Amino acid sequence: KAGVTQTPRYLIKTRGQQVTLSCSPISGHRSVSWYQQTPGQGLQFLFEYFSETQRNKGNFPGRFSGRQFSNSRSEMNVSTLELGDSALYLCASSLDGRAADTQYFGPGTRLTVL
Amino acid sequence: GENVEQHPSTLSVQEGDSAVIKCTYSDSASNYFPWYKQELGKRPQLIIDIRSNVGEKKDQRIAVTLNKTAKHFSLHITETQPEDSAVYFCAATGNEKLTFGTGTRLTIIP
Repeated sequence: KAGVTQTPRYLIKTRGQQVTLSCSPISGHRSVSWYQQTPGQGLQFLFEYFSETQRNKGNFPGRFSGRQFSNSRSEMNVSTLELGDSALYLCASSLDGRAADTQYFGPGTRLTVL
Repeated sequence: GENVEQHPSTLSVQEGDSAVIKCTYSDSASNYFPWYKQELGKRPQLIIDIRSNVGEKKDQRIAVTLNKTAKHFSLHITETQPEDSAVYFCAATGNEKLTFGTGTRLTIIP
């Protein structure tokens, strides 16, 4: 089975712009979670989607949003970019999204905001 | 919500020695505790996990122990090798989502 894929792998944006990141889960996986990884904060949970519905949300401002399509692919959007949004954005897929499901990570999208 | 603390943040051990990384969690309802290894520039990969009905689990040189009463769990790596150098993250379930520790950078000294 192909692993979790993310596009693009690298992005450079300027403050105030918006960005859309894409995540394709492992075939058959219905849950996609998104995380922000920064050197000081580790892996911070953004949100989780299951069957096109957001089931869980972390403590991020409303500028961070996401969606999931019927084929389980997911996108996350960040509007009005700030310098502090520079980070590695990781998505992870799991079979059913139950808390004890194994999550498999994609390679990440490295976002740099100038 | 769940809070996971991980120690130490950095750890250097001589090749062949053992390494231990410890995590504590706050939500007594958490029942799944995975460990991920992230090599430089790569994605986090699951190396071992443990569920709350088990106290210890071992996979070759890697073992994890869980103490639900004290709400802490640990990763043990024996006979360390240079390829064990990486950042290790513990995590715990809480509120139906994984909460990660802040990571331990493990360096194996040849």
